[in-house]
Amino acid sequence: DAGITQSPRHKVTETGTPVTLRCHQTENHRYMYWYRQDPGHGLRLIHYSYGVKDTDKGEVSDGYSVSRSKTEDFLLTLESATSSQTSVYFCAISARTGHANTGELFFGEGSRLTVL
Amino acid sequence: QKEVEQNSGPLSVPEGAIASLNCTYSDRVSQSFFWYRQYSGKSPELIMSIYSNGDKEDGRFTAQLNKASQYVSLLIRDSQPSDSATYLCALEVRNTPLVFGKGTRLSVIA
Repeated sequence: DAGITQSPRHKVTETGTPVTLRCHQTENHRYMYWYRQDPGHGLRLIHYSYGVKDTDKGEVSDGYSVSRSKTEDFLLTLESATSSQTSVYFCAISARTGHANTGELFFGEGSRLTVL
Repeated sequence: QKEVEQNSGPLSVPEGAIASLNCTYSDRVSQSFFWYRQYSGKSPELIMSIYSNGDKEDGRFTAQLNKASQYVSLLIRDSQPSDSATYLCALEVRNTPLVFGKGTRLSVIA
């Protein structure tokens, strides 16, 4: 199994508080992704990174920021959480070695966030 | 705007039957296609990828791609209760991040 871990796995927070989710990989892959999954919407891309300090927005990036200061860590931050950000968040990395950005993704176990 | 459409289901098939899952897409330049399986409460896992027109077989799974008609399908032969899951179709265009469909829930009845 590819080495990818997410933390925390579960979090309950209140509206207006900041939240940071962490994704850690041990595969040295260049590309990392954050998706959210909601009933009726499937998986939607929030942000992705194609290298240290190199990130780009996905289709649902509003209200989220990311940072990647090291190859192995990709952080997703909700500056001021809202109830609409209650979701399951998945981090993913490419399943291929090297620098390929491919659709063969390996997903972390997910982080379930509840914003009250 | 790339869109991927799937019937949400549930699709119910008896054990041992062939399950047929379909996916249509709107972007004519889509190049790579993927099927992911997701068990309830778990993360998606890749089960098939297909890049050119035709069929690709892997064990009990067959992916079919028809770029002219813009559809991709997944056939599961000899369906087992353990195949009960949500199946996500995804496409990739020229190294841009994957776009996923909403998934089809499959239920295999013993």
